[in-house]
Amino acid sequence: DAGVTQSPTHLIKTRGQHVTLRCSPISGHKSVSWYQQVLGQGPQFIFQYYEKEERGRGNFPDRFSARQFPNYSSELNVNALLLGDSALYLCASRINSIGPYEQYFGPGTRLTVT
Amino acid sequence: AQSVTQLDSHVSVSEGTPVLLRCNYSSSYSPSLFWYVQHPNKGLQLLLKYTSAATLVKGINGFEAEFKKSETSFHLTKPSAHMSDAAEYFCVVSALNRDDKIIFGKGTRLHILP
Repeated sequence: DAGVTQSPTHLIKTRGQHVTLRCSPISGHKSVSWYQQVLGQGPQFIFQYYEKEERGRGNFPDRFSARQFPNYSSELNVNALLLGDSALYLCASRINSIGPYEQYFGPGTRLTVT
Repeated sequence: AQSVTQLDSHVSVSEGTPVLLRCNYSSSYSPSLFWYVQHPNKGLQLLLKYTSAATLVKGINGFEAEFKKSETSFHLTKPSAHMSDAAEYFCVVSALNRDDKIIFGKGTRLHILP
């Protein structure tokens, strides 16, 4: 079975640009979450989506947005990129947004902002 | 609201000796607690989870964790460390029956000495 997939693997952008990251969850998983992991730190929660609705939001500015599609895949969008947005962006899926369900993580997208 | 504190940023043990990685949590709701491991340049892998069933939880690769509500702790242990255990370990808390933020600790780097 395919795990969580993310694209692209690596990305280099310039300050002020916009970026879209994509995630496909494990088949049957309806919840997708996004995390930002800066080098040397733990993942920071950005969003959780379930059935196309936002079900949780971390402490990130409005430049960060996301959506979930009917097939449960998801996009994370970041506008007006800053140098500090350089990080590994992780997507995780799980069966439901609540309950005793663990998350399964994708390999991440490495974003570099220059 | 949830929070999690990993009490040690680095832990060094000799191969064959016990491992103890400490995690304290805070949660306004019944918590779900998880331990994940991240090997260098690898994705996050679930070690074990607590979701209100048995308080002593067994995971993969010989790891265990005990949920202690009175101490708000969820420490990770292993009787005998192996060189392959060298990695970053993250304690994670979420609300069991509620949509909310999913919070990672800052991580503990485990070093195994030969």
